[in-house]
Amino acid sequence: QKEVEQDPGPLSVPEGAIVSLNCTYSNSAFQYFMWYRQYSRKGPELLMYTYSSGNKEDGRFTAQVDKSSKYISLFIRDSQPSDSATYLCASRDDSNYQLIWGAGTKLIIKP
Amino acid sequence: DADVTQTPRNRITKTGKRIMLECSQTKGHDRMYWYRQDPGLGLQLIYYSFDVKDINKGEISDGYSVSRQAQAKFSLSLESAIPNQTALYFCATSEAGFPNEQFFGPGTRLTVL
Repeated sequence: QKEVEQDPGPLSVPEGAIVSLNCTYSNSAFQYFMWYRQYSRKGPELLMYTYSSGNKEDGRFTAQVDKSSKYISLFIRDSQPSDSATYLCASRDDSNYQLIWGAGTKLIIKP
Repeated sequence: DADVTQTPRNRITKTGKRIMLECSQTKGHDRMYWYRQDPGLGLQLIYYSFDVKDINKGEISDGYSVSRQAQAKFSLSLESAIPNQTALYFCATSEAGFPNEQFFGPGTRLTVL
């Protein structure tokens, strides 16, 4: 079992819908959580990061961490075709400061 | 100009050949990483380096080696390529400390026949 699990999708939704992307993790010591976005033929780019439990909002994007259930979520409001990409979650292992990555979810926003 | 560059961008090679992938960065970061990405598996860490004299194995280092020639340069070598090393390879850099954001290069698509 991987330490960070993520459904690879693809997830296809109509433009304007609310998108929910999710990951689960197994190591209760993880404190920092990140979401990266990767467009086709590009490297991943950091979208948002959160520390411990709670929500963080940035424009149309909200990152949420529930440490009690070891669940990480990314919500996208008013989704746009330009949001079509692969979204990767990651948790930081503080024993060696390395990022543990989910498999990535491919998101398709249909116009 | 891109902050993290990788060469070559695409490479097709044959089983048993030695191949080197190169990474350069202008971000001034001390930490550099090599990952491979396979469909459905996400990013897997091959090697990482926290400074020029520090090299560490990642989760899948077998069959790979690295060289940190300078703060800005980190090369990945496949001494004898095999078909299951066909993948997308990414170099990344980061500063030390929170939040440890990693900046990625554009990737090298490697095919081993």
